[in-house]
Amino acid sequence: EPEVTQTPSHQVTQMGQEVILRCVPISNHLYFYWYRQILGQKVEFLVSFYNNEISEKSEIFDDQFSVERPDGSNFTLKIRSTKLEDSAMYFCASTLAGGSYNEQFFGPGTRLTVL
Amino acid sequence: GQSLEQPSEVTAVEGAIVQINCTYQTSGFYGLSWYQQHDGGAPTFLSYNALDGLEETGRFSSFLSRSDSYGYLLLQELQMKDSASYFCAVLLSGGYNKLIFGAGTRLAVHP
Repeated sequence: EPEVTQTPSHQVTQMGQEVILRCVPISNHLYFYWYRQILGQKVEFLVSFYNNEISEKSEIFDDQFSVERPDGSNFTLKIRSTKLEDSAMYFCASTLAGGSYNEQFFGPGTRLTVL
Repeated sequence: GQSLEQPSEVTAVEGAIVQINCTYQTSGFYGLSWYQQHDGGAPTFLSYNALDGLEETGRFSSFLSRSDSYGYLLLQELQMKDSASYFCAVLLSGGYNKLIFGAGTRLAVHP
């Protein structure tokens, strides 16, 4: 069964460093997302991406964040200068279509720890 | 603003039935989804309601009342493996399938 994959599973970094989180969405999906979940809290929307551009972003997704689809399969989230409060689980998700298509498929997540 | 409310914790015994309620207040609404998340795992899709009424999928059912901005997830014949967090999530209209999650309900199933 096709699935969303993410690497690495765990990333530890020093405050101020740049990190890149990688995702491979399901191959025929067209809409891609990043969410984050601080430990013990709810899942929060960061950004949606369609047709090689950001379609929507939340207030969390400030200038420190960027996303890219460098090739036909990878979807990356970059945090330029990490802060302690960026420590969270980051989930990538993808879905086949837009509109009212309802099922998003989540990857296993990358646990980011900022020291 | 967008807000969803659901109970923080529910406890039940194996074989029982439990209902997890969710009320929402959002601008733009396509439908209400439910996701399950085991500790350390990814959210996995359980169900979706776009129209009023009950949707049944095996042991799980989900209900929506758009006029009341209310929905629930019903879990029947509870099993130990159902112990997890359950999130309601509003699928917002606008074309890009943005999901807004509630804070989650932690379900503990005991023998």
